Amino acid sequence: EDKVVQSPLSLVVHEGDTVTLNCSYEVTNFRSLLWYKQEKKAPTFLFMLTSSGIEKKSGRLSSILDKKELFSILNITATQTGDSAVYLCAVIIQGAQKLVFGQGTRLTINP
Amino acid sequence: EAQVTQNPRYLITVTGKKLTVTCSQNMNHEYMSWYRQDPGLGLRQIYYSMNVEVTDKGDVPEGYKVSRKEKRNFPLILESPSPNQTSLYFCASSLWTGSYEQYFGPGTRLTVT
Repeated sequence: EDKVVQSPLSLVVHEGDTVTLNCSYEVTNFRSLLWYKQEKKAPTFLFMLTSSGIEKKSGRLSSILDKKELFSILNITATQTGDSAVYLCAVIIQGAQKLVFGQGTRLTINP
Repeated sequence: EAQVTQNPRYLITVTGKKLTVTCSQNMNHEYMSWYRQDPGLGLRQIYYSMNVEVTDKGDVPEGYKVSRKEKRNFPLILESPSPNQTSLYFCASSLWTGSYEQYFGPGTRLTVT
């Protein structure tokens, strides 16, 4: 069974801290890994990672994939209250044309 | 504006009363998909469609039906809703297949009593 596991499930930090969110996966046929941010509404796309070791970066957010150890991390530096959200990791299954999501990490940034 | 729309946004209904949640996208995307989101379980795929008249089951298809008669529309049908289908539902679309960034609709919160 294809499985995506995120950790921690919940995280509370102070504004300005740096956080690392984890996503590990066990799937039959990996194609790509996606990160989404979900505030009160629909998930919005952050990154898609396909190759190992290549960091994707957008402002204070960055992510990297390790296909040998089957995990990805999402880093957020100098956190702000607007970063408070649920962060979702999903894996695209090659051939099956479907996404398998993790449970999400609820990140709360306190001022 | 490029978007995925869903209707209704909120729905409270009773067990057994057939309902349809509509989904429409204006981006000419080929791939469309339905998810449900429940606390602690993340997003789980119900059905997906790779093109008109081509649909397939996701991980949790029981109790749901879909159709894809036009490229832009992908309605989700609950023939006989039950309380365990109370959930937050998202429709999503992407350019080609599921192997691409998916754009999500605003969500439909369904309560079945």
